[in-house]
Parts: sequence; C-alpha cells; structure tokens
Amino acid sequence: DARVTQTPRDKVTEMGQEVTMRCQPILGHNTVFWYRQTMMQGLELLAYFRNRAPLDDSGMPKDRFSAEMPDATLATLKIQPSEPRDSAVYFCASALGLAGWGEQFFGPGTRLTVL
Amino acid sequence: DQQVKQNSPSLSVQEGRISILNCDYTNSMFDYFLWYKKYPAEGPTFLISISSIKDKNEDGRFTVFLNKSAKHLSLHIVPSQPGDSAVYFCAATDYGGSQGNLIFGKGTKLSVKP
Repeated sequence: DARVTQTPRDKVTEMGQEVTMRCQPILGHNTVFWYRQTMMQGLELLAYFRNRAPLDDSGMPKDRFSAEMPDATLATLKIQPSEPRDSAVYFCASALGLAGWGEQFFGPGTRLTVL
Repeated sequence: DQQVKQNSPSLSVQEGRISILNCDYTNSMFDYFLWYKKYPAEGPTFLISISSIKDKNEDGRFTVFLNKSAKHLSLHIVPSQPGDSAVYFCAATDYGGSQGNLIFGKGTKLSVKP
C-alpha cells in the first residue's frame, strides 16, 4: 500500500528553535510538494520539486524557510528560527509526472505548534 | 488575491439528500479542476476531476459540473451519506503555464446528519 509518510506527526517547539519536517514520497513519484494549511489561508503551496530540483519556492518566506530533497526518497522542510505565526499543519504531497493532470497524494501532515 | 474561492465555509445536509458544494475561480487560464476530500488528522485525498473541455464528469455518487463562462464549478453528492462528512477542497491549475501546481480554495466543511 504505497503512501506518503511524514515525520513527525506533531511538533511543539518554542519560538526561535529550528524545526525540521521530513517527507518520504511514494516510490517512483518524481514531483514533491510542500503545503501549509491554516484556518485563514486554507492550503497554501510553499514549494515543489521535480526530479529533486526545486521548481518553485515562491510561497515560502525565504529568510526562515528552506526546502531540500537530499535524495529521491526524502524531502525536508526546515524553519529557522521558528515563530508563533508558523503554527499550522504542513503537508507533503507527491505525484508522478506533471501533476496538474492527475492527482497528488498527500501525507498525513505535521502539526506544528510554536509557542 | 484568491484565485480559487469556496465561499461557503460549511454546509449541513440530511442523509440521503443532495449535497452541492460550490467553487468559483478568477483565472481564465485554468483548464483543469479537481476536488479533494479531507478527514480530520489525515491528508487530503483526490476525489474527482474535470478538464475544461468537458462540462460534466461523473463517478458514482459524485458529479462535478463546470460552467466556464461563469468560472464556476460545483460538486454534487447524491445521495449524501454520513461518511461523506469531511472538508472538501476545490483546486485548479493552468497546465501549460504552471507546470502542474494546484491552487486550492479554503475548503468547505460538509456535515451529513443521519
């Protein structure tokens, strides 16, 4: 049963601390997305990769957020330093090929709380 | 400026009746539309999609209608079941211009009461 996995599922941290979220896309999927869900903004696209290369990260606050794909089985999203306004659920999704024509498969999300 | 709008944050319907979820978009370049369903503590899952060359797509109890002139789409669920209670996200993409990334609405929470 292929699925996207994310760790940790929940993270509580204090303002100023570094946060790292990890995602394992479905094996064989070559497109990986990071989204953030908040009550106010709904699902916002932060960044996405195709074949491990970043295609668009315009949705991310560049000064504190960074996204990488060290290899095809791992995507990371880092926040340093974290702020209370970063509190949200962060989703990773993967897709095969040009995802606009098909479905994206979402992980269960990481719920981040920054105190 | 929201390009995909779901103006109803919530909707409540009786089991067995029709649920109609609405979505409006502003970008006339969007040519592919999708609906995702999300249960609490889970990620969204794909439900149904429609290309701009069609005005209707049906899959079991779920039908999506697209009105390009009005830049409006809707998801019909007939008959509604308590298990359909979830948040529904509308999404759109401009295949040629965006390389496939989706723009999501804020979601509509559907409650189906027994």
